[in-house]
Amino acid sequence: AQRVTQPEKLLSVFKGAPVELKCNYSYSGSPELFWYVQYSRQRLQLLLRHISRESIKGFTADLNKGETSFHLKKPFAQEEDSAMYYCALYGFQKLVFGTGTRLLVSP
Amino acid sequence: NAGVTQTPKFQVLKTGQSMTLQCAQDMNHNSMYWYRQDPGMGLRLIYYSASEGTTDKGEVPNGYNVSRLNKREFSLRLESAAPSQTSVYFCASSFPTGSGEKLFFGSGTQLSVL
Repeated sequence: AQRVTQPEKLLSVFKGAPVELKCNYSYSGSPELFWYVQYSRQRLQLLLRHISRESIKGFTADLNKGETSFHLKKPFAQEEDSAMYYCALYGFQKLVFGTGTRLLVSP
Repeated sequence: NAGVTQTPKFQVLKTGQSMTLQCAQDMNHNSMYWYRQDPGMGLRLIYYSASEGTTDKGEVPNGYNVSRLNKREFSLRLESAAPSQTSVYFCASSFPTGSGEKLFFGSGTQLSVL
């Protein structure tokens, strides 16, 4: 079975500081990994996918198969980045989420 | 373009009552999902359906049943609601793309069981 672990429930930083939201996974096959974001009073939306190797809103995430990690990073946090972030893994025909990390960016 | 539509948006039940949460998608997706979202627990998969006519248990299926009525609709039923089922429920559908599975979420149903 697949499993996603987000060890931090809350991450609080100041505007302009670097951000790293941690995500570790366990999966026997080749994983498809995602980051989803939920802004206040909005539905979940896809932030980025590891396959695309894209950068969205300044965020990037690199799949490290050796460390089974998919950490989300941004060099300079903005106040509008404050939200819940979920790491997710797709495998065995289903998408499983981590417990989420709330990011708070203070001015 | 409606996407994924869930009804109702809010519901209050008494312990022991039953209800069905409805979900429909108009994107011709094969896969559909039901999640519950609880503080500190993230999103947990209740049931999923990889294609019309199939359903499978997720992480927390106890106390729930589902029906994949057709390709568009995937309903979640609580036969005898319990306070532990107070949560926000999300339906989602997905399709495979060249760059991985893409999920679309409904706006959620806030359920309170008293």
